[in-house]
Amino acid sequence: DAMVIQNPRYQVTQFGKPVTLSCSQTLNHNVMYWYQQKSSQAPKLLFHYYDKDFNNEADTPDNFQSRRPNTSFCFLDIRSPGLGDAAMYLCATSRDGTFSYEQYFGPGTRLTVT
Amino acid sequence: AQSVTQLDSQVPVFEEAPVELRCNYSSSVSVYLFWYVQYPNQGLQLLLKYLSGSTLVKGINGFEAEFNKSQTSFHLRKPSVHISDTAEYFCAVNQGGSNYKLTFGKGTLLTVNP
Repeated sequence: DAMVIQNPRYQVTQFGKPVTLSCSQTLNHNVMYWYQQKSSQAPKLLFHYYDKDFNNEADTPDNFQSRRPNTSFCFLDIRSPGLGDAAMYLCATSRDGTFSYEQYFGPGTRLTVT
Repeated sequence: AQSVTQLDSQVPVFEEAPVELRCNYSSSVSVYLFWYVQYPNQGLQLLLKYLSGSTLVKGINGFEAEFNKSQTSFHLRKPSVHISDTAEYFCAVNQGGSNYKLTFGKGTLLTVNP
């Protein structure tokens, strides 16, 4: 089945130690999104790629970066994680040309910062 | 700008009872509406969507929602819930066109008790 895959599902990192989360998709969608979701809150969009074009949300901290080396893969880099960055990170995709831009979500990576 | 209001942050119900989760949106243009479900430590799964046409939309797991343009609402309903329906439910909207980002409500935690 076509899907969005996130690895790892659980990640523990130390305060200030860089960490990378990965997302891959077999849907061949051209738009990929990264969301941060804290406990009992709605997902918060961090940034997205429209093809190779990177679009940062205005309130996304500089500590968060992203890379998209090809259509299938997208990475979230947290350069110096703080305790406040502990959250669930969700990757999603959608396809241009589907006017509703329905988003398909991966299972998420839960990040713990110690 | 578009916004989504989920009027109830928590809805407790007994098994086999009917349930309605409320969602209101504000937008100056036509919108596309979605309900997503999130089980603990999982990503978001699409329950149903309204794009156009019939205002009564049927989704997975026996859920349905009705789009009411005059009341700018998109309430989610199920006639008889199961313990397994316990989850967080998010209403979301986008305007399509060049604005393909989703705006989420804050979520409603549905707890089904035996």
